[in-house]
Amino acid sequence: GAGVSQSPSNKVTEKGKDVELRCDPISGHTALYWYRQSLGQGLEFLIYFQGNSAPDKSGLPSDRFSAERTGGSVSTLTIQRTQQEDSAVYLCASSKGAGELFFGEGSRLTVL
Amino acid sequence: DQQVKQNSPSLSVQEGRISILNCDYTNSMFDYFLWYKKYPAEGPTFLISISSIKDKNEDGRFTVFLNKSAKHLSLHIVPSQPGDSAVYFCAASALNDYKLSFGAGTTVTVRA
Repeated sequence: GAGVSQSPSNKVTEKGKDVELRCDPISGHTALYWYRQSLGQGLEFLIYFQGNSAPDKSGLPSDRFSAERTGGSVSTLTIQRTQQEDSAVYLCASSKGAGELFFGEGSRLTVL
Repeated sequence: DQQVKQNSPSLSVQEGRISILNCDYTNSMFDYFLWYKKYPAEGPTFLISISSIKDKNEDGRFTVFLNKSAKHLSLHIVPSQPGDSAVYFCAASALNDYKLSFGAGTTVTVRA
């Protein structure tokens, strides 16, 4: 597709389980971002990938969160031992460089 | 530490009138500012941006004003239309930093 694709769109899991969220960026976009939006909150930066550079992980809230980007394209955000406070919409975005980000529709995670 | 602040969580305006959304920032290194619009169950979409070398940028019904000395920007929508009802996020980035910092958003409701 032409836009950023995320899967799953909705995920309900039990506390303590691991989850993986996937992002397919726009073809040709070298930068990929993960943000999350908790209920009633703004967009919180999590992690940023740019080309072959080391990712900026400064926004990851704990070591239960990790992300990888394979082949400079698809990215997976992994949350281990999920907690109820991890419930949020996880948004992936891509860009050609600095400036406008193109967002996917998000993956809504609910931890019971 | 919220570097971008949108102090009005909601705004209600009559169709045809002007909507004014405000945004304040604290990081003096920010030099590029964007507004994103978000409908429910969709990802944010880019609306308009402004560089710190300008104090105004206009695109159709949307105008963004930047006051660097006050670290303040605003988005004007005139005339407001029912389709403008959405959440509006202010975002900012610093030179050579691809990461965007977002505000908490302002929910705009345009009344017919």
